[in-house]
Amino acid sequence: DTGVSQDPRHKITKRGQNVTFRCDPISEHNRLYWYRQTLGQGPEFLTYFQNEAQLEKSRLLSDRFSAERPKGSFSTLEIQRTEQGDSAMYLCASSLAVGSDGYTFGSGTRLTVV
Amino acid sequence: EDQVTQSPEALRLQEGESSSLNCSYTVSGLRGLFWYRQDPGKGPEFLFTLYSAGEEKEKERLKATLTKKESFLHITAPKPEDSATYLCAVFYGGATNKLIFGTGTLLAVQP
Repeated sequence: DTGVSQDPRHKITKRGQNVTFRCDPISEHNRLYWYRQTLGQGPEFLTYFQNEAQLEKSRLLSDRFSAERPKGSFSTLEIQRTEQGDSAMYLCASSLAVGSDGYTFGSGTRLTVV
Repeated sequence: EDQVTQSPEALRLQEGESSSLNCSYTVSGLRGLFWYRQDPGKGPEFLFTLYSAGEEKEKERLKATLTKKESFLHITAPKPEDSATYLCAVFYGGATNKLIFGTGTLLAVQP
């Protein structure tokens, strides 16, 4: 296992288009998190899964955003009708337990909305 | 409102010049404080977790300490490869599972 994988690494899309990102967590980690990071800021929490259940969503996760984790393995984050303000780095992380050592982050997907 | 504040925003050091980064928080019921290193274009890389005031952890040239209101990341005799953004994050549990991050300190170590 090489860590948390995210795909694609970069995505450029036109305003109004839909985009989908994928995250493959560390295989034994049952907890998965999505964060968003803009330039010069720290990551901001979006949502949390325990196995396949989405247990927490931030107010940042508007109705244009949807996340899934079918079968408790990989996860997808979809943004519908993208806006320029959605441009950011989208980070996925996984862990064995909440608050445990070593939330492991992926390298992120850089989204640019033009 | 729970906040995490890091200072300074940016720090430039000469190789071998030791210094400290600060992370202050206003979170009640802290259950853990995390330090991460982030290189440009990459995700944060885990460094330390601190759970209680008085706790200290070390890794190579880095040492993290925790009090009831703040944490320090001490960098001893830094090298250019220590250049990165250092992020701290707090976890307070309860009804939430999120980490609250600060905005980071951008460290540049010049040879």
